[in-house]
Amino acid sequence: GESVGLHLPTLSVQEGDNSIINCAYSNSASDYFIWYKQESGKGPQFIIDIRSNMDKRQGQRVTVLLNKTVKHLSLQIAATQPGDSAVYFCAENTGTASKLTFGTGTRLQVTL
Amino acid sequence: DAGVIQSPRHEVTEMGQEVTLRCKPISGHDYLFWYRQTMMRGLELLIYFNNNVPIDDSGMPEDRFSAKMPNASFSTLKIQPSEPRDSAVYFCASSFLTSYNEQFFGPGTRLTVL
Repeated sequence: GESVGLHLPTLSVQEGDNSIINCAYSNSASDYFIWYKQESGKGPQFIIDIRSNMDKRQGQRVTVLLNKTVKHLSLQIAATQPGDSAVYFCAENTGTASKLTFGTGTRLQVTL
Repeated sequence: DAGVIQSPRHEVTEMGQEVTLRCKPISGHDYLFWYRQTMMRGLELLIYFNNNVPIDDSGMPEDRFSAKMPNASFSTLKIQPSEPRDSAVYFCASSFLTSYNEQFFGPGTRLTVL
């Protein structure tokens, strides 16, 4: 599976640095916001989700921040590694159980 | 578990032909989803099933597309007749009811319609 290509915004980060990937959403009524990672040739893979009544959630090396005032979601990756190179999608759970709406994606390139 | 299995991985066909994509979800999952991914439109949900019953097919582009889930371990997405604009990567995904934000995607089927 190849992710959306030529017109994706790209973030280039040096190995070991922290990465911040941003996403703007439109539906204020969404219950959950989710981040997925898609490596070249593979299907998307779940990373982390955050409920709409939370501002921050941490996982292993990742933190998601939610700012409902400006409808903004971010994914922070600590100590970025070459294996983090992928396209990252934010998604919204719009209230209908299990139905996700995906954003357009951001390509993360990790340089050595 | 082997994860979500899709076949074929690649399909090349000519305009007007029928195409059938297959999916085996993860055993025990309640939901099954079909998505399409293109450069122009990104990742789009086509249809999803809950316990083998189609719940929402509003993303199916037109009548040329149909999907079935005859049992809990198998689903098909059929395009008849196929058109060049159907060229895309088609993903199947499945999830549990209790963790529906975490969908497990298959490797996808890359479809090329000439």
